[in-house]
Amino acid sequence: TQLLEQSPQFLSIQEGENLTVYCNSSSVFSSLQWYRQEPGEGPVLLVTVVTGGEVKKLKRLTFQFGDARKDSSLHITAAQPGDTGLYLCAGLMKTSYDKVIFGPGTSLSVIP
Amino acid sequence: KAGVTQTPRYLIKTRGQQVTLSCSPISGHRSVSWYQQTPGQGLQFLFEYFSETQRNKGNFPGRFSGRQFSNSRSEMNVSTLELGDSALYLCASSLGRDRGSLGDTQYFGPGTRLTVL
Repeated sequence: TQLLEQSPQFLSIQEGENLTVYCNSSSVFSSLQWYRQEPGEGPVLLVTVVTGGEVKKLKRLTFQFGDARKDSSLHITAAQPGDTGLYLCAGLMKTSYDKVIFGPGTSLSVIP
Repeated sequence: KAGVTQTPRYLIKTRGQQVTLSCSPISGHRSVSWYQQTPGQGLQFLFEYFSETQRNKGNFPGRFSGRQFSNSRSEMNVSTLELGDSALYLCASSLGRDRGSLGDTQYFGPGTRLTVL
């Protein structure tokens, strides 16, 4: 059973369209991170959201952390082929050590 | 500053063999974590090393082991390989500091693609 669920699992859209991917859990996280992984590469950190209800914008990407710090969304405006990749969310749990739980990812393909 | 490097990038082994993967962290980073990535299970945490000591461990069998050297470079070993061990093995380095809710930012290497036949 995945502690973090992501939807949709796969997404194929035309260049210029908007999209939203979701990351959900029944657990509360201290913070939540979003990564993008391109084929043949490791994940690269895009953003960390810490406060419930927080919204962060990075150019065409908008990240939101749920009020209860259990879920998050990533919205991309006017998608471009360069946005293609696997989007992973990761929740941080502060236990006796920093425990990072990764979701299974959303595979995005933007068609020119 | 050079990124995290992993060697080899690709590896093919047969069942029953053992394999050693290497990871060189970013200069100044003292923590190295290892992950297994498969299409079915996603990214699964294997273990973390900090200052040559295993600090945290995931839920993997004892066939998976690792170590860290005084220069922070790390190796991961898998003995008695099984078909299910086929995966992308990623290592991530970080400073190893507690930054509260922000967490300790991890920088991933490109991974080693292991295929077990």
